[in-house]
Amino acid sequence: DAGITQSPRHKVTETGTPVTLRCHQTENHRYMYWYRQDPGHGLRLIHYSYGVKDTDKGEVSDGYSVSRSKTEDFLLTLESATSSQTSVYFCAISGTGDYEQYFGPGTRLTVT
Amino acid sequence: KQEVTQIPAALSVPEGENLVLNCSFTDSAIYNLQWFRQDPGKGLTSLLLIQSSQREQTSGRLNASLDKSSGRSTLYIAASQPGDSATYLCAVILGNAGNMLTFGGGTRLMVKP
Repeated sequence: DAGITQSPRHKVTETGTPVTLRCHQTENHRYMYWYRQDPGHGLRLIHYSYGVKDTDKGEVSDGYSVSRSKTEDFLLTLESATSSQTSVYFCAISGTGDYEQYFGPGTRLTVT
Repeated sequence: KQEVTQIPAALSVPEGENLVLNCSFTDSAIYNLQWFRQDPGKGLTSLLLIQSSQREQTSGRLNASLDKSSGRSTLYIAASQPGDSATYLCAVILGNAGNMLTFGGGTRLMVKP
């Protein structure tokens, strides 16, 4: 398995509170991604990073921000959580070349 | 906008059957196509990746084919086993869309002993 960890694995938070999810990799891959998975919508890309301090928006980026200060860490922040952000969040990584993506175990976030 | 469709949404077969899962995409200008497996409550496991220049890839009992011109890929599972029960997802990267994976809705497979 690719060396990807996500923390926390489960979180319950209240509407309006800030939340930060962490993705950590040990593969030294250049690219990192944040997806969310929802019933009826499947997996959708939130943001991705193509290098330290280099990030770009995905399909569903509103309400989310990201930061990457080190190759191994990619943070996803919900500035003010809403119930619509209740979801399972997956981090993924890929190297250059064929860009095969490898996924982390996921974080289940519930916003009450 | 690229759309990816997987049919059927669910499939139940007896153990030992050979089966085919289908994936179709609307924009043929893909960079690669990736098949994943997802067990309930778990992350995604990469099964096979097919580059746009390739026609098929094989790994053990799995064989994935790609026909860019028709916008289709199939995942063939030989001699299915109960341990193959999972949701199978296909995803494509467009050639001009960075590394953004666009996913299909998945096929939920149940292999009965």
